[in-house]
Amino acid sequence: SQTIHQWPATLVQPVGSPLSLECTVEGTSNPNLYWYRQAAGRGLQLLFYSVGIGQISSEVPQNLSASRPQDRQFILSSKKLLLSDSGFYLCAWSRRDIQYFGAGTRLSVL
Amino acid sequence: KQEVTQIPAALSVPEGENLVLNCSFTDSAIYNLQWFRQDPGKGLTSLLLIQSSQREQTSGRLNASLDKSSGRSTLYIAASQPGDSATYLCAVSMNRDDKIIFGKGTRLHILP
Repeated sequence: SQTIHQWPATLVQPVGSPLSLECTVEGTSNPNLYWYRQAAGRGLQLLFYSVGIGQISSEVPQNLSASRPQDRQFILSSKKLLLSDSGFYLCAWSRRDIQYFGAGTRLSVL
Repeated sequence: KQEVTQIPAALSVPEGENLVLNCSFTDSAIYNLQWFRQDPGKGLTSLLLIQSSQREQTSGRLNASLDKSSGRSTLYIAASQPGDSATYLCAVSMNRDDKIIFGKGTRLHILP
């Protein structure tokens, strides 16, 4: 069976510090991978998606970047966090039109 | 640009009642539509997936319908239980393997 791991579950970072969130998928190969952010009152916003290693599409201009160094690994990064980067970050993978989500990371930038 | 709207934003009903959650989308040329459930502070769980050629899908006490031409979908929950309390999100995809567009969700509270 397939599983998706996302860590850490909670993160508190000061403004200007770097960020690295990691997501890995097990039990499948060549999945489509997604990073979403969920902010209060704004719904779920797609940040990046990837259809293969090294292939990243960005949906919105922002302070974040994504990388896919391996087939089942998706990393969300920032060099310098802003207050507005606070939110709930979700990783997902898809197969046969269904998206499967990780448990999420709650990021608070102070 | 596709937009997905869910009404109401929040809903409280007594246990045992049947209820309907609504979803509308502006571009009817969708590939499929999904309903998700999200518990507080958790990830999303896919409940039902309706392909554009389908009219409805059922899973247990849940039934989702799709009226593609009018840009609407409903999620029907029969005999609601306190464990059904969660946020329910509607999402559409325009192409296979493409990104999906979410509504803001309906926060459902079932009163014991």
